[in-house]
Amino acid sequence: GQNIDQPTEMTATEGAIVQINCTYQTSGFNGLFWYQQHAGEAPTFLSYNVLDGLEEKGRFSSFLSRSKGYSYLLLKELQMKDSASYLCAVRDSNYQLIWGAGTKLIIKP
Amino acid sequence: GAGVSQSPSNKVTEKGKDVELRCDPISGHTALYWYRQRLGQGLEFLIYFQGNSAPDKSGLPSDRFSAERTGESVSTLTIQRTQQEDSAVYLCASSLGSGGADTQYFGPGTRLTVL
Repeated sequence: GQNIDQPTEMTATEGAIVQINCTYQTSGFNGLFWYQQHAGEAPTFLSYNVLDGLEEKGRFSSFLSRSKGYSYLLLKELQMKDSASYLCAVRDSNYQLIWGAGTKLIIKP
Repeated sequence: GAGVSQSPSNKVTEKGKDVELRCDPISGHTALYWYRQRLGQGLEFLIYFQGNSAPDKSGLPSDRFSAERTGESVSTLTIQRTQQEDSAVYLCASSLGSGGADTQYFGPGTRLTVL
């Protein structure tokens, strides 16, 4: 079967750095997405990785290792507004998007 | 419009009634997706359209659920004889295509409550 694993919940402090991990086992790989979802709102796109390495976008970076079936989302200089769920999704060999259950990130002052 | 829109934003219905949820994708987006999200849970895939055809209906939970898309634009998700377990937020997303890098953009969702 296909599986995406993420921690259920993480807590971090305002101004700090947090890394949210995602491991996947899918039938093929055609890219990995990270989305942010604030409570009561729809998911919004954060990043896309298809090649190994780090993609940086302001305070957010996403890393991919295809050989390890592993990705992480790195959030720097955390702000209270970063409190949200972060969803990892992998596009498989059939180009279907397989979603993780999401990681709820709680930011404390 | 600039983004994906969905209507209604909220729907409260009685058990056993039929409901129809609407999604207007971003103009020019050929792929359209329906998801269900129960409170505190992840996204549950329901159905995917490429143009007006639905190559993947594997996520529809029962034959009470159906969806259609016309004119490569608007899609409706119909739930017949609603049950309390159908209560959830129904999210629609669209993307330019269904290739590797095609990003799905989500609408605000319809919150369905079945009493």
